[in-house]
Amino acid sequence: AQKITQTQPGMFVQEKEAVTLDCTYDTSDPSYGLFWYKQPSSGEMIFLIYQGSYDQQNATEGRYSLNFQKARKSANLVISASQLGDSAMYFCAMREDLGGSQGNLIFGKGTKLSVKP
Amino acid sequence: DGGITQSPKYLFRKEGQNVTLSCEQNLNHDAMYWYRQDPGQGLRLIYYSQIVNDFQKGDIAEGYSVSREKKESFPLTVTSAQKNPTAFYLCASSRRQLDTQYFGPGTRLTVL
Repeated sequence: AQKITQTQPGMFVQEKEAVTLDCTYDTSDPSYGLFWYKQPSSGEMIFLIYQGSYDQQNATEGRYSLNFQKARKSANLVISASQLGDSAMYFCAMREDLGGSQGNLIFGKGTKLSVKP
Repeated sequence: DGGITQSPKYLFRKEGQNVTLSCEQNLNHDAMYWYRQDPGQGLRLIYYSQIVNDFQKGDIAEGYSVSREKKESFPLTVTSAQKNPTAFYLCASSRRQLDTQYFGPGTRLTVL
């Protein structure tokens, strides 16, 4: 079974609108971390935001917020006020702190976001 | 400037040749990683190193080799045993293994 699932291969959003990128995860490890990375066409992976499994509040970083619903095992990324520069691939990743992946990141297949002017 | 550098950005090699990809970081991070990305896919872990002179196989280590003789350097050799070496290779580092990973700009390898 896939540990990280991103069900939206591609998304469109109008400039200045908010968009939600979906991510669900599967783990039995009580301690884990969830990450979102942005990959522009240049290829570099840019870290956006992190949520720990024990964090009480949803993480926020500027225009990025992570909608963490632990019982549903979802960690959706919300981008507010989209900009043309937000057009990129977005990857959700999980780190299991105690389990078989030995603390290494497991990546989803990504969502391609296109921002329309 | 602190960061992770990978060279070269593009690399072309003939089938059957070994090739070494460079990864250097000046962030004083203990842990370093190599990932492979194929078109339309997420990243898959090749090798990782938590400390100098130690490294571990990731999910797809066959046909690859690494060394970690210095804290700041973690070169990856793609050997002739790797059946489908054409891919985008990304290097990352983190302060310790469970910390956030930061990535270099990547090397696109094409084997002709």
